[in-house]
Amino acid sequence: DAKTTQPPSMDCAEGRAANLPCNHSTISGNEYVYWYRQIHSQGPQYIIHGLKNNETNEMASLIITEDRKSSTLILPHATLRDTAVYYCIVRDSGYSTLTFGKGTMLLVSP
Amino acid sequence: ETGVTQTPRHLVMGMTNKKSLKCEQHLGHNAMYWYKQSAKKPLELMFVYSLEERVENNSVPSRFSPECPNSSHLFLHLHTLQPEDSALYLCASSQDLQRERNEQFFGPGTRLTVL
Repeated sequence: DAKTTQPPSMDCAEGRAANLPCNHSTISGNEYVYWYRQIHSQGPQYIIHGLKNNETNEMASLIITEDRKSSTLILPHATLRDTAVYYCIVRDSGYSTLTFGKGTMLLVSP
Repeated sequence: ETGVTQTPRHLVMGMTNKKSLKCEQHLGHNAMYWYKQSAKKPLELMFVYSLEERVENNSVPSRFSPECPNSSHLFLHLHTLQPEDSALYLCASSQDLQRERNEQFFGPGTRLTVL
């Protein structure tokens, strides 16, 4: 799997947008970008994934640069319950395992 | 609730004990996984099962022995563990191995302490 680089921590005010960056400069053409998050003492939770196009679902938006070397996860209106570790993972579509890095600890404050 | 349950939620055992962790998924999935999460370390994939067959074993010591009797149940048998095996053990399932989305659903984990 291609390696990803994320900042270790970020802060966000409640109600504001949280923009979490991820660098994946060695990503190859058939590899997807996945985002999971892990709230303290719980198992990870799938958020969103994409290949080339921007994606949006009920939880978040994923913006992937045209060269696919980086992406940004956007939580449009962060709440206190969004405080968690966010993992950006690059995965080949033909095989299922996920390689988790250290992620970004997002702290949402009142 | 993710549809994946794990028991027990907490376990304390001595190094000479034998215990088992249980995972059950109620989602009709065909793939199941064991992960280990040690303090301040990333999640590590331990084992992968697809249709009850083990397809991946990531250099895990033999004191950890997985068992998948059917597609809904996964066990991790533990014996003669070491204190450094203390960690959160997470089970996950997904529809199968070869899907683009491959959304994995995780259980709440078992917090294991080895004395």
